Amino acid sequence: DAGVIQSPRHEVTEMGQEVTLRCKPISGHDYLFWYRQTMMRGLELLIYFNNNVPIDDSGMPEDRFSAKMPNASFSTLKIQPSEPRDSAVYFCASSTRGQGVRNEQFFGPGTRLTVL
Amino acid sequence: AQKVTQAQTEISVVEKEDVTLDCVYETRDTTYYLFWYKQPPSGELVFLIRRNSFDEQNEISGRYSWNFQKSTSSFNFTITASQVVDSAVYFCALSDVNSGYSTLTFGKGTMLLVSP
Repeated sequence: DAGVIQSPRHEVTEMGQEVTLRCKPISGHDYLFWYRQTMMRGLELLIYFNNNVPIDDSGMPEDRFSAKMPNASFSTLKIQPSEPRDSAVYFCASSTRGQGVRNEQFFGPGTRLTVL
Repeated sequence: AQKVTQAQTEISVVEKEDVTLDCVYETRDTTYYLFWYKQPPSGELVFLIRRNSFDEQNEISGRYSWNFQKSTSSFNFTITASQVVDSAVYFCALSDVNSGYSTLTFGKGTMLLVSP
């Protein structure tokens, strides 16, 4: 079975440009999460969706960040305009609640973003 | 609020040594879930184990074992006869009712370096 798929794997852009990160969750998973990982702050949850609906976006750093999930098999995280401090690895993860079982999250390979 | 503390920032061992990674958590809930993830140098996050708060039995999987102690709020991870391939950053995480059991609170991670 395919795991969580993210694209691109690496992105280098200049300050002020728009950046779009993409994620395809595992088929059948109804939760999708976006994380950011930096040396200083570790793993931070940015936003998560349940059944394509954003549930908690309190981790989104500011209005420059936005995320969408138009359907069960696709999500995007957009940064506009990008800034050098946005440089990080962005992970997408998915999970399913099951029946009374709190299941683990499965992570994609990450997108390494560098903003010059 | 929930919190996960991994006090060991970095551990260095020589191959074949046993090593224990510490994890201490804080939660007000009686029902919660604990996880360990591995992040090898390639960058992806790999799920290792999930444990619920009602199951205090220790678990062993090959060279890996986990010691869950509710009395000390700890969920420690031991690698027996470590190998170079075990070199990675290891994250402990917690899920509880505060997040609807949907999200994970991660520790800062422990970097394990196993030298030949």
